[in-house]
Formats: sequence, C-alpha cells, structure tokens
Amino acid sequence: DQQVKQNSPSLSVQEGRISILNCDYTNSMFDYFLWYKKYPAEGPTFLISISSIKDKNEDGRFTVFLNKSAKHLSLHIVPSQPGDSAVYFCAASGFPGTGANSKLTFGKGITLSVRP
Amino acid sequence: ETGVTQSPTHLIKTRGQQVTLRCSSQSGHNTVSWYQQALGQGPQFIFQYYREEENGRGNFPPRFSGLQFPNYSSELNVNALELDDSALYLCASGPWGRDTQYFGPGTRLTVL
Repeated sequence: DQQVKQNSPSLSVQEGRISILNCDYTNSMFDYFLWYKKYPAEGPTFLISISSIKDKNEDGRFTVFLNKSAKHLSLHIVPSQPGDSAVYFCAASGFPGTGANSKLTFGKGITLSVRP
Repeated sequence: ETGVTQSPTHLIKTRGQQVTLRCSSQSGHNTVSWYQQALGQGPQFIFQYYREEENGRGNFPPRFSGLQFPNYSSELNVNALELDDSALYLCASGPWGRDTQYFGPGTRLTVL
C-alpha cells in the first residue's frame, strides 16, 4: 500500500528551464509535505516543506504547490541548474510530535537530470 | 553546528549475525528516527526515539531494536540478519514537535 506516489521515475530538462516534479498521496490524514534531494552516497537533504493549511510555499528557486482536493503536490525549480541533478523524494507526515504519526512516508523518488 | 553523523559508512555481515549501527544527532535535536532504504525505493520508517524511549514504530519485526542515549545519540541493532536486510540505513534527527527531519549520510549494510 503505497501512500505517497511519484509515478514518473525520471525527468530531463534543459538548464535555465523549469523543472516540475509531481507527487500524489492517498492518506487524507497527512498534515505536512516535504521534498528532499539526494545525491549518490549522501543522505537526503531537506529542501522545502508545506503545511496542509497552505497551498503554496516558496524558497528561492524552489516552490511547492499543494492541491488538497486532488491529493497532489508539485515541486517547481526555476531556473533549473546542472547542480540540481539528483534524486528528489516527496515525503508526507502526520502532525508533528505525535510519534508514529509524525513519521515520514516517502515516495520512490524521481531522478532529475538538468542538461547544460 | 555539526549535522547528523553515522558510523560505520559501510558494513558487510553474513546471515544470522547481529549488527549495531550508530548515529549522532544534530545539536539541539531531541528526536531520532531510523529509516531503511532498499535499492530503488524511498526510505521506510523503522522507529523513532524521544526521551530515550521508542515513540512509534513502522512495519519492522522485533529483531530491529534501538536505543537513544541522554546525549541524543542513538543505536540501531538488528539481530539474526537476513539477506533482505541489505540496504542503506538512514538516521534522522529533529526537534520534538517540528515536521522537518535532517538525515545523516547513511550506513550501507550488505548481508551475504
């Protein structure tokens, strides 16, 4: 039972263009959604998060959009840079500080390649 | 400020053996969680520790156990290793009540 789904395994974009990474979830009890970036031989690095009470959160080149009715979120990277090439994981959790409910549930990840 | 560190980096064991993985939390973080990441998959939650007690557990058998120490460092112990235990084991720390967890570089465990 995969509660967080990243259906596209890979994405390739040209440097300077927009990268749009998509994520769907099935559990309506999720309260927070996060994006992590992972390089080979490193642990996941936190990028950006959004609470379920918001529909958009922006941090520099990264913007996350949340559509609760569709149970869908997306990460936009503008402009894309070659250093953005990595595996991106979408994750979701329940309300923080609630033990197992605050665990992170991850998707399988999407490999982003930014071509120079 | 030191981030999350894990040791060892790599480990090779044989079936039936026991293994202990170690993690040092980021300064100021009082929760620690452990995740297992199999090849081609996202990390899977094993358990979380807060105030030296297990505070939530994923779908892992009892042979996966852990400890959290007063200085917020942690250990993951796995008994009776199986071939399917081969994976990247990630430790993550965070402040209690906050949504973001910060990950260490992981320990790559290979079971032969």
